[in-house]
Amino acid sequence: ELKVEQNPLFLSMQEGKNYTIYCNYSTTSDRLYWYRQDPGKSLESLFVLLSNGAVKQEGRLMASLDTKARLSTLHITAAVHDLSATYFCAATHNTDKLIFGTGTRLQVFP
Amino acid sequence: DAGITQSPRHKVTETGTPVTLRCHQTENHRYMYWYRQDPGHGLRLIHYSYGVKDTDKGEVSDGYSVSRSKTEDFLLTLESATSSQTSVYFCAIRENRALDEQYFGPGTRLTVT
Repeated sequence: ELKVEQNPLFLSMQEGKNYTIYCNYSTTSDRLYWYRQDPGKSLESLFVLLSNGAVKQEGRLMASLDTKARLSTLHITAAVHDLSATYFCAATHNTDKLIFGTGTRLQVFP
Repeated sequence: DAGITQSPRHKVTETGTPVTLRCHQTENHRYMYWYRQDPGHGLRLIHYSYGVKDTDKGEVSDGYSVSRSKTEDFLLTLESATSSQTSVYFCAIRENRALDEQYFGPGTRLTVT
């Protein structure tokens, strides 16, 4: 059974600092997804990682995938307040179903 | 927004009453999903559909049923609502492309008193 764990669950960071969110999954996954959710809003797709070593970047966010370690990371560079949100990773054993992590609530302060 | 709407957006109902949530899409996607979101649990799949009248269970399907009589509509029914079903419900579609991304509707906040 595929399980997905994220850590940390909560992250409070100062503007300008770097940090990484970790996403571990328990069995083979076809692909790995990252989503962002603002308070009271829906989920927004950020990245889809398809293969070992895949790296994708958008602005201050960079996602990577290590299928051998069953680990994906979301790295935040020089955080700004606008990045404050909850970030979810999700893995899929077959593409029919996504299994989500519990989310990382990121708060960026001045 | 991938053309997904959910109705109602907010609902308060009493324990034991039936409730139906509707998800509507305008882009002819084959796959549709219902999730619930609760603090500390992320999103959990309730049921999904892979075509008209083709549905399957997710990880938290007990107490829920679904129907899909048209491509564009996917209905989630709570036959007899319980307080444990108080949650935010999201519908999603899966695009028919290489990345198989899921896109989410705006959500329905359901409170069962």
